Amino acid sequence: QVQLVQSGAEVEKPGAPVKVSCKASGYTFTGYYIHWVRQAPGQGLEWMGWINPNNGDTNYAQKFHAWVTMTRDTSISTVYMELSSLRSDDTAVYYCARDGFGLAASFMDVWGQGTTVTVSS
Amino acid sequence: DIQMTQSPSTLSASVGDRVTITCRASQSISIWLAWYQQKPGKAPKLLIYKASSLKSGVPSRFSGSGSGTEFTLTISSLQPDDFATYYCQDYNSETFGQGTKVETK
Repeated sequence: QVQLVQSGAEVEKPGAPVKVSCKASGYTFTGYYIHWVRQAPGQGLEWMGWINPNNGDTNYAQKFHAWVTMTRDTSISTVYMELSSLRSDDTAVYYCARDGFGLAASFMDVWGQGTTVTVSS
Repeated sequence: DIQMTQSPSTLSASVGDRVTITCRASQSISIWLAWYQQKPGKAPKLLIYKASSLKSGVPSRFSGSGSGTEFTLTISSLQPDDFATYYCQDYNSETFGQGTKVETK
């Protein structure tokens, strides 16, 4: 079945980077954009951007474009989201999600289980 | 920037109730709207896309309607498994509403 499996929880100090992975299975990896969405404790959903696994093209939300990088490794059907220079308000659950249309930005039909990133000194 | 506003923020209801959640866009988004359900500690799940298309496998008691700037999610007869938070999303701008929590009355 279609599945996205994310890497485990991370605890980082302010100013450090973090890299979260999302491994896809059960479908053609290069046929669907992958989105990243985060959710701070007790808050709503915030879209961060997407990556086209077919060619590596990315589109980042304006808020994140200065410090987020999304990459992919097609040989292992995995996408990565890296945030540089973490702040305490980056503490959140980070989700990857598959695009429902395929190679076009739209709704998100399959979600990873989430990765908790805690930023604490 | 497009703003998505859901109402109410919290809704108290009982099993069997008909429940309606509204999502308003600050400008027209045609029918490019999705609804998600999220339970505590879990990832969101897609319920509806293109304003009224039910995702395969989602119970038919869920329905969506609307176009332009006003949309609704309706649960025709609330079931115990439906107590959760619901989010709308404009997928032109990838903007989410702030969420509506459906809790027991």
